[in-house]
Amino acid sequence: EAQVTQNPRYLITVTGKKLTVTCSQNMNHEYMSWYRQDPGLGLRQIYYSMNVEVTDKGDVPEGYKVSRKEKRNFPLILESPSPNQTSLYFCASRSFGGGQGNTEAFFGEGSRITVV
Amino acid sequence: GDSVTQMEGPVTLSEEAFLTINCTYTATGYPSLFWYVQYPGEGLQLLLKATKADDKGSNKGFEATYRKETTSFHLEKGSVQVSDSAVYFCALSDLTGRRALTFGSGTRLQVQP
Repeated sequence: EAQVTQNPRYLITVTGKKLTVTCSQNMNHEYMSWYRQDPGLGLRQIYYSMNVEVTDKGDVPEGYKVSRKEKRNFPLILESPSPNQTSLYFCASRSFGGGQGNTEAFFGEGSRITVV
Repeated sequence: GDSVTQMEGPVTLSEEAFLTINCTYTATGYPSLFWYVQYPGEGLQLLLKATKADDKGSNKGFEATYRKETTSFHLEKGSVQVSDSAVYFCALSDLTGRRALTFGSGTRLQVQP
């Protein structure tokens, strides 16, 4: 079964305490990305990765780091979380298909992170 | 930059009513267009897509037509069910190297029995 798995699903943490949200996909997709979902704003891309060891900033990268050491995994790191990073986070993966950007993105179930 | 505008929600309908959720976009070139659906407590799932002008995407009774002249991709369904209650997101895929999906703000649909 095609899957994108995120952990944790829910977390309440304190300001400044480093946390990592893991993401793993089993579809051998080259492209992976992280989004945050906030009320009234839809989903905004944080970081993306075209392949192993290739990562780049999305629209809202401040306060986040990522790494792509293996094709299947793409963890999101909040080095020093702040309350404005309280959000619902989604990991997604896509194949490149024909290179036309028309392939389906598969999403994880989301990680609700609250920073107090 | 690219942007997607959706009608504000929530949209509340009775079962078997006709649904339209408006979506317009701004983009350079000819992006692919998508509708994703998010059921409570779940991630987003692809509902339908269209990759070129005048294409019609359809799935589960939902339809949307890629209208280049009006830069629109409105979602329609002839007869909604309670199980269609969810949040619907219109999105476009940029054709540059970033290949990001740009999402609208989402429209919550509530269908009452």
